[in-house]
Amino acid sequence: DTGVSQDPRHKITKRGQNVTFRCDPISEHNRLYWYRQTLGQGPEFLTYFQNEAQLEKSRLLSDRFSAERPKGSFSTLEIQRTEQGDSAMYLCASSLPLGADTQYFGPGTRLTVL
Amino acid sequence: DAKTTQPTSMDCAEGRAANLPCNHSTISGNEYVYWYRQIHSQGPQYIIHGLKNNETNEMASLIITEDRKSSTLILPHATLRDTAVYYCIVRFPSNDYKLSFGAGTTVTVRA
Repeated sequence: DTGVSQDPRHKITKRGQNVTFRCDPISEHNRLYWYRQTLGQGPEFLTYFQNEAQLEKSRLLSDRFSAERPKGSFSTLEIQRTEQGDSAMYLCASSLPLGADTQYFGPGTRLTVL
Repeated sequence: DAKTTQPTSMDCAEGRAANLPCNHSTISGNEYVYWYRQIHSQGPQYIIHGLKNNETNEMASLIITEDRKSSTLILPHATLRDTAVYYCIVRFPSNDYKLSFGAGTTVTVRA
C-alpha cells in the first residue's frame, strides 16, 4: 500500500503527558499537511510543510504543539502537556503540487486525553 | 471559512443513484471544486475534483453548472459502503494550501 500512513492509530494518555505522532506521506509528495478533527466537526487545518519548510500554521496550533519534517519525508506532530481539549483525531495528508494539488489523507491518529 | 452550502443529510436506496448537491455561488474562476467523503472513524477519502468541465472516474461523476455556482456529485449505484459524510470544498490551489471543510452532507444508504 503506497498511501499516507500514520502511527499510532490510537493513543490514550493522561493529562499533562507529552505525545508524538508520526506521518509518512505518499512517496514523492513534497507537501504535507496536518489537520485536527473533533467529534461531529469537519477537519480543521493545523499546519503545512513544503519539503522540510513549515510554511503555514493555524492559530489553532498553540505553543504546546510543534511539528517537524526534518528531511522532507516523514513528519512528526508533538503535543506537550496534553489537555483534555486536545482529544481529537489528528489527520495527515500529502500532495504533489501539480494542477489541482489534490490532498490524500491518512487514516488518522485518535488521541484521548484522560 | 467554508465557501459551500450542502444539505445536512440525505437518504438513498441501495442500488440507486445518489445525487449530492453543492452550492458555491461565490466561486472564482481559478477555484477548483473538490469532493471528499469520510466514513465513520476513518480519514477523508478523495473522490473527484473539477474546474469547469464535468468529470467522471471510477467512483463518481461531477457535474458543474455552466455558471459554476453549483455542482452535483453523482454516485451511480449506491451501496451500503457509501454511507458517509460527503464534503464539497472549493479551493484555489496556487493561493490556498489548506482544505476548508464545512459540515458536509451525511448520506445514509438504506437496503
